[in-house]
Amino acid sequence: GNSVTQMEGPVTLSEEAFLTINCTYTATGYPSLFWYVQYPGEGLQLLLKATKADDKGSNKGFEATYRKETTSFHLEKGSVQVSDSAVYFCALNHPGQGAQKLVFGQGTRLTINP
Amino acid sequence: DTGVSQDPRHKITKRGQNVTFRCDPISEHNRLYWYRQTLGQGPEFLTYFQNEAQLEKSRLLSDRFSAERPKGSFSTLEIQRTEQGDSAMYLCASSSSGTTDTQYFGPGTRLTVL
Repeated sequence: GNSVTQMEGPVTLSEEAFLTINCTYTATGYPSLFWYVQYPGEGLQLLLKATKADDKGSNKGFEATYRKETTSFHLEKGSVQVSDSAVYFCALNHPGQGAQKLVFGQGTRLTINP
Repeated sequence: DTGVSQDPRHKITKRGQNVTFRCDPISEHNRLYWYRQTLGQGPEFLTYFQNEAQLEKSRLLSDRFSAERPKGSFSTLEIQRTEQGDSAMYLCASSSSGTTDTQYFGPGTRLTVL
């Protein structure tokens, strides 16, 4: 079945550092890929998405590129801020195969220190 | 506020009691999903509706769980004879089949079973 694996956390960085959170997936064909973010005390928010190979999703300075050859969708940001502290979830679904449900990774907790 | 809303936000109950949660999706969305999230984990799919039809149920959804969406608008999730293992955050999401089917999440209902 479909699955998502994220790098284990927690991740702690200093403000203005470069961020990478690794995400790899297992699925046949071409799933849609997502990053969701959960800020403390809040619900899941869509951060960015990509629906086909080589697409780049971007939002709020974050980027992720859909890499079919490595089955990856790593999240990157060039200069993190304290306000980026949150839990980040990589996810996929497969609407082309009738699989609407999202399959999530276990989440990566990110803490940014001033 | 035109986002997904859930009620109640918190529920504390005693083992063996029944509980019911409500989800109101984004008004133009015809798809509605329920997920469960336990501490430190990513959300896990429970069930999914398109309009009023329940199209998929996870094996996680035991016979103590029932979900309805009677008029294709709001949905309810009922848990009968609650157990301590049911303690979790219950998340609702909605999407539109006419677009890229991106799921938008509500704030969740946190259930604590004593």
